Amino acid sequence: GIQVEQSPPDLILQEGANSTLRCNFSDSVNNLQWFHQNPWGQLINLFYIPSGTKQNGRLSATTVATERYSLLYISSSQTTDSGVYFCAVEQGTSGSRLTFGEGTQLTVNP
Amino acid sequence: EAEVAQSPRYKITEKSQAVAFWCDPISGHATLYWYRQILGQGPELLVQFQDESVVDDSQLPKDRFSAERLKGVDSTLKIQPAELGDSAMYLCASSKATPRGYGYTFGSGTRLTVV
Repeated sequence: GIQVEQSPPDLILQEGANSTLRCNFSDSVNNLQWFHQNPWGQLINLFYIPSGTKQNGRLSATTVATERYSLLYISSSQTTDSGVYFCAVEQGTSGSRLTFGEGTQLTVNP
Repeated sequence: EAEVAQSPRYKITEKSQAVAFWCDPISGHATLYWYRQILGQGPELLVQFQDESVVDDSQLPKDRFSAERLKGVDSTLKIQPAELGDSAMYLCASSKATPRGYGYTFGSGTRLTVV
């Protein structure tokens, strides 16, 4: 099956710093999503981004489908950004399973 | 904003007991998924429904796990008997079949501890 690799596995920042999280995938995909898992375990959908660039406030994401990677940018980080960030991809027809990476554990210190 | 509802939020059960989780997807979402997330790992699909039909249960341990979505709306995931290794977060998600572009929405999950 498809492999999804995220880097770095852990990241510690001071409040106000910027960061870039990376997601590499081993095959072509129809869908790519970035999620933030909060300390209570809920997965919050950040971006649905099979290709191109999107921005939402301090967060932005870029997916280069032809090169099989996606980047999540966090600017001016806040303590509330802490948590695990997951990249997940979908192959095949619409509505197929999502395959998740192992996640990036982000800690933002005040 | 519409949400995927799950209950219970937490469940502690003894080994060999039966346990059940409930999920109510976003209204109008025909596709419903159950994922299991072991601590420190990404979620993995257990079962996928399209309306009331199972379309993917290849990773569901069918000797002890069962899932149903009788009327094509809410769903129940059952484990009987529970084993220590079943301790995990169980996440339900739903998505529109078409049009695409909205992705998946996850519920808050049920954190299961088997003792």
